[in-house]
Amino acid sequence: GQNIDQPTEMTATEGAIVQINCTYQTSGFNGLFWYQQHAGEAPTFLSYNVLDGLEEKGRFSSFLSRSKGYSYLLLKELQMKDSASYLCAVRDSNYQLIWGAGTKLIIKP
Amino acid sequence: DAMVIQNPRYQVTQFGKPVTLSCSQTLNHNVMYWYQQKSSQAPKLLFHYYDKDFNNEADTPDNFQSRRPNTSFCFLDIRSPGLGDAAMYLCATSRDGNSGADTQYFGPGTRLTVL
Repeated sequence: GQNIDQPTEMTATEGAIVQINCTYQTSGFNGLFWYQQHAGEAPTFLSYNVLDGLEEKGRFSSFLSRSKGYSYLLLKELQMKDSASYLCAVRDSNYQLIWGAGTKLIIKP
Repeated sequence: DAMVIQNPRYQVTQFGKPVTLSCSQTLNHNVMYWYQQKSSQAPKLLFHYYDKDFNNEADTPDNFQSRRPNTSFCFLDIRSPGLGDAAMYLCATSRDGNSGADTQYFGPGTRLTVL
């Protein structure tokens, strides 16, 4: 079967750095997405990785290792508004998106 | 601004009373999706349209139906809602659905309550 694993919940301090991990086992691989979802709202697109390495976009960066079936989302200079769930999703060989359950990130002052 | 719009944002229905949720898009995307998401769970794909071609997920209950009368609009019909159908229903669109980088853009969702 296909599986995406993420920690259920993480806590971090305002101004700090946090890394949210995602591991996957899928039938093929055509890219990995990170989405942010605030409570009661829709997911919004953050990043897309298809090649190994780090993609940086402002305070957020996303890393991919295809050989390890692993990605992480790195959030720097955390702000209270970053409190949200972060969902990892992988596109498989059939171009279907396989979603993780998300990691709830709690930011404390 | 180009966007995905869902109405209503909140819907309350009674057990067994049919309900229709609507989605519209101004992105001119070819593909439209309906997801069901329950608290702290991954979004679950119910069905999607490549243009007018309907694709039903194997485990989507028959109680759920969909219509896409034109490129811009898509509807989700729940024929006889049960208590287990209470959830957030998310509509999403993407440009073509068959490339790796094809990104899905979501509407704000409709939260369905079943009494």
